[in-house]
Amino acid sequence: DQQVKQNSPSLSVQEGRISILNCDYTNSMFDYFLWYKKYPAEGPTFLISISSIKDKNEDGRFTVFLNKSAKHLSLHIVPSQPGDSAVYFCAASAQGGSEKLVFGKGTKLTVNP
Amino acid sequence: KAGVTQTPRYLIKTRGQQVTLSCSPISGHRSVSWYQQTPGQGLQFLFEYFSETQRNKGNFPGRFSGRQFSNSRSEMNVSTLELGDSALYLCASSLGINTGELFFGEGSRLTVL
Repeated sequence: DQQVKQNSPSLSVQEGRISILNCDYTNSMFDYFLWYKKYPAEGPTFLISISSIKDKNEDGRFTVFLNKSAKHLSLHIVPSQPGDSAVYFCAASAQGGSEKLVFGKGTKLTVNP
Repeated sequence: KAGVTQTPRYLIKTRGQQVTLSCSPISGHRSVSWYQQTPGQGLQFLFEYFSETQRNKGNFPGRFSGRQFSNSRSEMNVSTLELGDSALYLCASSLGINTGELFFGEGSRLTVL
């Protein structure tokens, strides 16, 4: 049972345009959501997060939106740059006193020059 | 500041053998988590250790075990290896204050023949 789903395995956008990566979850106990970015041969790196009490969090070119009623979150990258080409993982955690994250399977973003 | 270090980076084992993977966290980080990454299942949580105590465990068989030492370094062990254990094993460290912001190592690539 996949609790965090990223339904698009890949996404291709032009440099300078907006990239929108989507993520759906099923577990209502999740209260914290994160995005990680992974380049080949490297471990994932933390990108941005959002608490369930918020609906938007912004950090530079990256904005995460959370729609709790729809159990949906999205990551917007504006403007997209070729260096953003990577696999993006959505992750969620539930309160419980640990660092356990449940990850989606990832979306490979390709930003074309 | 040194990152998370995992050793060995690559290893090949045969079915039935056992393997031990090592992880040195970022200095000052007391939490170490382990994840298994496979093409079909994505990133799956194995377990988390905090101050030498296992704080949470994922849905993996008892062949998968781990421990954490007083210096926060961690090891994970897989006994009686199966072909399906072939994966990238990622270690992540954090302060352990449940922000979900994990710092991942580059992983140990295990191939079981």
